[in-house]
Amino acid sequence: GIQVEQSPPDLILQEGANSTLRCNFSDSVNNLQWFHQNPWGQLINLFYIPSGTKQNGRLSATTVATERYSLLYISSSQTTDSGVYFCAVRNSGNTPLVFGKGTRLSVIA
Amino acid sequence: NAGVTQTPKFRVLKTGQSMTLLCAQDMNHEYMYWYRQDPGMGLRLIHYSVGEGTTAKGEVPDGYNVSRLKKQNFLLGLESAAPSQTSVYFCASSDRRGRTYEQYFGPGTRLTVT
Repeated sequence: GIQVEQSPPDLILQEGANSTLRCNFSDSVNNLQWFHQNPWGQLINLFYIPSGTKQNGRLSATTVATERYSLLYISSSQTTDSGVYFCAVRNSGNTPLVFGKGTRLSVIA
Repeated sequence: NAGVTQTPKFRVLKTGQSMTLLCAQDMNHEYMYWYRQDPGMGLRLIHYSVGEGTTAKGEVPDGYNVSRLKKQNFLLGLESAAPSQTSVYFCASSDRRGRTYEQYFGPGTRLTVT
C-alpha cells in the first residue's frame, strides 16, 4: 500500500519563529489532508489539499502531486500551535486515509 | 451540528471483558472508520464501512468486530479485551460530495485494559 513519511519527527521552536513540515508519499493521491492533534488529543482538520496551495491565517500548505510531497508552513508560531501534525493520503476512490507518523511540534514562549 | 461523537470518552476494562464503542455522525456521511492510536505509531485503521450494512477490514482488525446497522452509527466491539488493546480509539466519517472524501474525526475514546 501507499507509504507516508513525515519529517522532521520532532521540532522545537521559539515563539515567533517560522517552520516547514514535510510529507512524502509513495504513490499518486486523490486526497491529502493535514491535521493538527492538540495536547488534549483532538484531531483538527487543517487542510484538504491533494494539489496546489492553500492558506488559512498563519498556516499555509502546498502539495506538488507530480513530485509526491506536501509542505505545511507555520509562520509566527504561537504556543497554541504545539501538538502533533499529521499528513494523511488516499490514493483511490473511497479507500481510507493512510497516516504518517506525525511531526511533534513544541513552541516555547 | 455535533459532527462526529463518540461514547464513552474513557473506559477501563479487565482482561477478558467485552465492550462496545459507539460512533455517531449527523452529517449524513456514507463512509465511516475506526482507527486506533498508540504512542509513536500514528493512526492505524481497524475497520471501515462504505455504507449502511457494509464493513471491511483495515490494517489491524484482529480482536475487533464492527457493525453499521444505521447510516449514522458505527459500532466497534471488543469481545475479549486484551492489554494490547489499550489505546486511544478514533472514529471518523467522510462523504463523497464534490468527490473530496474529506475525513472528519470524533474526539476519541481512551481505553485501558488491565
